[in-house]
Amino acid sequence: DAKTTQPNSMESNEEEPVHLPCNHSTISGTDYIHWYRQLPSQGPEYVIHGLTSNVNNRMASLAIAEDRKSSTLILHRATLRDAAVYYCILRGAGGTSYGKLTFGQGTILTVHP
Amino acid sequence: DSGVTQTPKHLITATGQRVTLRCSPRSGDLSVYWYQQSLDQGLQFLIHYYNGEERAKGNILERFSAQQFPDLHSELNLSSLELGDSALYFCASSVALASGWNTGELFFGEGSRLTVL
Repeated sequence: DAKTTQPNSMESNEEEPVHLPCNHSTISGTDYIHWYRQLPSQGPEYVIHGLTSNVNNRMASLAIAEDRKSSTLILHRATLRDAAVYYCILRGAGGTSYGKLTFGQGTILTVHP
Repeated sequence: DSGVTQTPKHLITATGQRVTLRCSPRSGDLSVYWYQQSLDQGLQFLIHYYNGEERAKGNILERFSAQQFPDLHSELNLSSLELGDSALYFCASSVALASGWNTGELFFGEGSRLTVL
């Protein structure tokens, strides 16, 4: 599985935007970029995913670099509930991976009131 | 609520014992994934089943086994338990394309916390 690199931790203030970066220089053409987050004492929760174009949903936006070697998860207005570990994951669409997710260490996001 | 149900939520047992963790996927989801989360290893993929058939194996020990039943629920069996098996075990499900390939989201349960004493 291709590897992703994320900062170990980031901090933000409530109601401010948060940009969580992810580097994935060995991404293949068929890898989708997925973001999940894990709140304390809960299972991982899907946030967003994309292939080439920027994506928006009710939770966040995903900005993908033109060469796809990096991406940024954008939380437009952080809330205390957004404090979690955020995982950037490359997910193969074919081969024997059958879409399994390979989690890295993720970024611990702390949101200050 | 993801729609994925895992039981039991907590389990305490002794070394050498055997336990079974159960997962009910979201209604209609044919794929079930099992993950282990420990403090030192993070979230590790164990195994994936699609419509009753094993599709992919990850870092699953030989002492562990899983199966998916005709009603699509899945069980993870852990035997000859060791202290190091203490962890959170998550089940996830997803809608899958033919043959189990999937590029969409996974829905995770709240996990089963296993403590081996």
